Amino acid sequence: TQLLEQSPQFLSIQEGENLTVYCNSSSVFSSLQWYRQEPGEGPVLLVTVVTGGEVKKLKRLTFQFGDARKDSSLHITAAQPGDTGLYLCAGAMDSSYKLIFGSGTRLLVRP
Amino acid sequence: SQTIHQWPATLVQPVGSPLSLECTVEGTSNPNLYWYRQAAGRGLQLLFYSVGIGQISSEVPQNLSASRPQDRQFILSSKKLLLSDSGFYLCAWSKALAGGFPYEQYFGPGTRLTVT
Repeated sequence: TQLLEQSPQFLSIQEGENLTVYCNSSSVFSSLQWYRQEPGEGPVLLVTVVTGGEVKKLKRLTFQFGDARKDSSLHITAAQPGDTGLYLCAGAMDSSYKLIFGSGTRLLVRP
Repeated sequence: SQTIHQWPATLVQPVGSPLSLECTVEGTSNPNLYWYRQAAGRGLQLLFYSVGIGQISSEVPQNLSASRPQDRQFILSSKKLLLSDSGFYLCAWSKALAGGFPYEQYFGPGTRLTVT
């Protein structure tokens, strides 16, 4: 069974702080996606990383794919209340129509 | 651009009643389609996926079923709902493997189902 473990499960921080969310697996993925979901809505795709060691930036968000393509991290700089939500990572494997989703990290940024 | 619709947005049904949730995708052809269920504040559980009309793969044994009567239409059904069927149901689509960037899934707005 392929598993993606996310940590931490819950994070409550003050506006302006930095944070990192981790997504780890013993399996190798061909690509990895990060989504953000707000209460009562569907997840929204933030980024896809496909190359080992790849780093992508989306404004204050930095995403990194591990060299071995087994793990990924999401770093947020100077968090804002608008960053509040559930962050989900999802891994894809070759020749599979399915994504393996992590259990999510719930982020609360207090003003 | 592509859009995905789900309805209804919310639903309250008694135990033992039937269920039909609908999902449609616009602006693309031959998408892969997915049904997920999400417990409150938790990750996503894949229920069904489809790679073509009439082709349904079931991931979790349960009293739910899925159908794909048209290329861009995906329906989730139940003959008799259980209390444990309550949850947030999400439909998603992705491009077929052979076309475009693979594996990214795009989600609909979801249906909140409460079984009483």
